[in-house]
Amino acid sequence: ILNVEQSPQSLHVQEGDSTNFTCSFPSSNFYALHWYRWETAKSPEALFVMTLNGDEKKKGRISATLNTKEGYSYLYIKGSQPEDSATYLCASTNTGNQFYFGTGTSLTVIP
Amino acid sequence: DTAVSQTPKYLVTQMGNDKSIKCEQNLGHDTMYWYKQDSKKFLKIMFSYNNKELIINETVPNRFSPKSPDKAHLNLHINSLELGDSAVYFCASSQDGRIPSGLREQFFGPGTRLTVL
Repeated sequence: ILNVEQSPQSLHVQEGDSTNFTCSFPSSNFYALHWYRWETAKSPEALFVMTLNGDEKKKGRISATLNTKEGYSYLYIKGSQPEDSATYLCASTNTGNQFYFGTGTSLTVIP
Repeated sequence: DTAVSQTPKYLVTQMGNDKSIKCEQNLGHDTMYWYKQDSKKFLKIMFSYNNKELIINETVPNRFSPKSPDKAHLNLHINSLELGDSAVYFCASSQDGRIPSGLREQFFGPGTRLTVL
């Protein structure tokens, strides 16, 4: 069982502020790191999947980086908007292809 | 159109009962999964099915059994429900193919909140 940890647990930011949060995972037997966005009353939706050390992915104002050697990934949101309010989940997969999810970071963007 | 659907959305039942949660996906995916979200909000994999073959079976009690009548459905049957089974259960699916399973995007259902009294 992998321990995937996310911090902070929750976050409140003002509209227009940029923010970031962290996903930590064991670096041994690492295969891939996934980020999901989970809006209240909806299902988790995939944002990114990254595999290589130094990978950086971007989708609009959201980007993510990956450090497989030290076992962390950052998710960045530039110019937060109220519609960005959601829980952001990361999941690490190992060489056994099993998904291990963190508990998520709950982001609230205040208008 | 709902890609991955689950029924019921809420299920309240007495300890000792047997219940099923249904999951259907209309994405044409080959692999389906069941997750349990525990009290600490972790999503933990329970089962996955690929073309009717069980390929992951985590250490879940044998009171839980996945049943897949066809590729589009993976139902979760629970016997002799216990208080500790209360949780939110999520179904998901992913597409097979050349992409390794560890890289595949998973599409989740809306969840079923099970409460055992």
